[in-house]
Amino acid sequence: AQSVTQLDSQVPVFEEAPVELRCNYSSSVSVYLFWYVQYPNQGLQLLLKYLSGSTLVESINGFEAEFNKSQTSFHLRKPSVHISDTAEYFCAVITSGNTPLVFGKGTRLSVIA
Amino acid sequence: DTAVSQTPKYLVTQMGNDKSIKCEQNLGHDTMYWYKQDSKKFLKIMFSYNNKELIINETVPNRFSPKSPDKAHLNLHINSLELGDSAVYFCASSQHRSDTQYFGPGTRLTVL
Repeated sequence: AQSVTQLDSQVPVFEEAPVELRCNYSSSVSVYLFWYVQYPNQGLQLLLKYLSGSTLVESINGFEAEFNKSQTSFHLRKPSVHISDTAEYFCAVITSGNTPLVFGKGTRLSVIA
Repeated sequence: DTAVSQTPKYLVTQMGNDKSIKCEQNLGHDTMYWYKQDSKKFLKIMFSYNNKELIINETVPNRFSPKSPDKAHLNLHINSLELGDSAVYFCASSQHRSDTQYFGPGTRLTVL
C-alpha cells in the first residue's frame, strides 16, 4: 500500500524568504500526487497536482513542486513567502486500483513578519 | 455558490447520544467521501461512495453509518458517541477517484 511521509511537522520562515516543504512517498506502481492547503478553520483546498507530463507543476499563487520518480519525492517550494501563506500543507498520493487517497501528516508553515 | 456544504458546522453532544452530519455537493461529481481529522491534524478517510454505492470502507467502527440518498448527498450518522469521536469531520467530492477532491468546511464534533 502507498504511504506519504512529510518529514517536517512545523516550518517557521521569515516573510519574503524561500521555503521548501518535503514530501516523500512509497509506492511500487504509478502515482498521482497532490498538495493541499488548509487555512485555519477551513477545509482543504487543492494547491497543485501531478498526474502526468511535465514533472514541474505550478500553482497560481507562486508555489511549485517537482515530481522526482527516482527519489520518490514531491517537494513543495516557494521562492518568497507571504504572511498569508501561513497554513497547514498536506501532501497526498493515490495509485491505480481501488486504493483511497492517502495524506501525509501535514506540515505547519508559519510565516513570521 | 458553495460547492461542498456541511451542516452543522459545530456539534457538541454527550457521550452515548446519536448524531448526524449532512453533506451536499453541487458540482455534479460522482464520488463523495468522509474524512476524520484528529487533534494533530491527521486526516484519514472513513468512507467513499460512487454514484450512491459504497466503494471504500476503512476500518471504522460500525457505529458510523454513511447514507447516500442520491449522488449529491452523503450523510454520516453516528450512534452511541464516544469521547474518542471528537474530531473535525470533512466531506469531500470528486468526479473520479484520481481527480481533485473538493472539501467542505468541516464539522467540529465535541463529545463531552
